[in-house]
Amino acid sequence: GESVGLHLPTLSVQEGDNSIINCAYSNSASDYFIWYKQESGKGPQFIIDIRSNMDKRQGQRVTVLLNKTVKHLSLQIAATQPGDSAVYFCAEIGSSNTGKLIFGQGTTLQVKP
Amino acid sequence: DAGVTQSPTHLIKTRGQQVTLRCSPKSGHDTVSWYQQALGQGPQFIFQYYEEEERQRGNFPDRFSGHQFPNYSSELNVNALLLGDSALYLCASSLDGFSYNEQFFGPGTRLTVL
Repeated sequence: GESVGLHLPTLSVQEGDNSIINCAYSNSASDYFIWYKQESGKGPQFIIDIRSNMDKRQGQRVTVLLNKTVKHLSLQIAATQPGDSAVYFCAEIGSSNTGKLIFGQGTTLQVKP
Repeated sequence: DAGVTQSPTHLIKTRGQQVTLRCSPKSGHDTVSWYQQALGQGPQFIFQYYEEEERQRGNFPDRFSGHQFPNYSSELNVNALLLGDSALYLCASSLDGFSYNEQFFGPGTRLTVL
């Protein structure tokens, strides 16, 4: 069936360190992936996206890597800050016609001061 | 410019009751998608509305229905509530619903069924 999964439920890092959050997806035909950040009491917030014709994309302090061979995504956050503490979801587009998103279970990132 | 807004923020219902949740999309957006997020889980797609019609539906029973109005706002209705319907209901808006157009999420409505 459709599924996008994350490897670890919780990641704890020291402020200033780099964070890496991993995600595995099951549909080899997926061509668009998105990382979302969800803070407590809020809806998911877009962080960065990547299409299947790329293997790396960089934003401000964030980098997404895509390995289509093993169907694996990762989100790297440089110099992690307390404000980065949240739940992070990877999502794939389940339908190119409507943009239906298929989310993984989420990884909680805890940043220790 | 207001983003996606949802009402109410919180709601408590009992089993068997019916509930209506509301969503106003981001200015300029014409497509609304609804998601259910159980505690500790990722959001699950319920359905999407575009041009006042349901365009795609996820794996949810007919107890879940919706509507989109001419001003693009949307309602989610759930009949015969079950305990398992307790969740955060998220609304996301986008332009045309095209897959590569960014979807903006509202803060959600927290529904508790007792």
